[in-house]
Amino acid sequence: AQRVTQPEKLLSVFKGAPVELKCNYSYSGSPELFWYVQYSRQRLQLLLRHISRESIKGFTADLNKGETSFHLKKPFAQEEDSAMYYCALKGNSGNTPLVFGKGTRLSVIA
Amino acid sequence: GAVVSQHPSWVICKSGTSVKIECRSLDFQATTMFWYRQFPKQSLMLMATSNEGSKATYEQGVEKDKFLINHASLTLSTLTVTSAHPEDSSFYICSARDSLGLAGGLVTQYFGPGTRLTVL
Repeated sequence: AQRVTQPEKLLSVFKGAPVELKCNYSYSGSPELFWYVQYSRQRLQLLLRHISRESIKGFTADLNKGETSFHLKKPFAQEEDSAMYYCALKGNSGNTPLVFGKGTRLSVIA
Repeated sequence: GAVVSQHPSWVICKSGTSVKIECRSLDFQATTMFWYRQFPKQSLMLMATSNEGSKATYEQGVEKDKFLINHASLTLSTLTVTSAHPEDSSFYICSARDSLGLAGGLVTQYFGPGTRLTVL
């Protein structure tokens, strides 16, 4: 069964501090992993995906198959990073849907 | 970029009535759309997968006769909540998958702004 676990409901950090939002997954094959972000009163939007191996808005995430993790990191948090972050998994067979974790609310304190 | 719209953005109805929510992909074709439900301060729960021209696939525990899904074209899917009751009050979010991979050849899933349904 596919499962995405985000252990932290809320994460508060000071501006300029490093941020790490944890995400662990369970899937029997090789999944695609994503991070989605939802800013206040806005729709869910894609932040980054592991296939692209990119850095978006200073955020990076590395897929660790051994630990089945896909943690989201940023070295220096900004106030505008405050939002709800969802880790999501897509199976590698056909048109399977995204399965989301419960989300972590990041609050960056000035 | 690709945009998914939903209409209406919010709706209030009486118990026992039916409500239709539309989801459109505005500038791309989506052979597959997804319907999610989100309770306050909770994650998105997948309700069903909607494929153009065929029957929707419902997740376990979702009543297909209560939540009717129609994906009649490559840019439109509708969710009808039939005989709505207060417990159906929720935030319904649709998502469309860009099958042709506008984002650099990768298949990307875009989300609508959601529809808040309140059943009195």
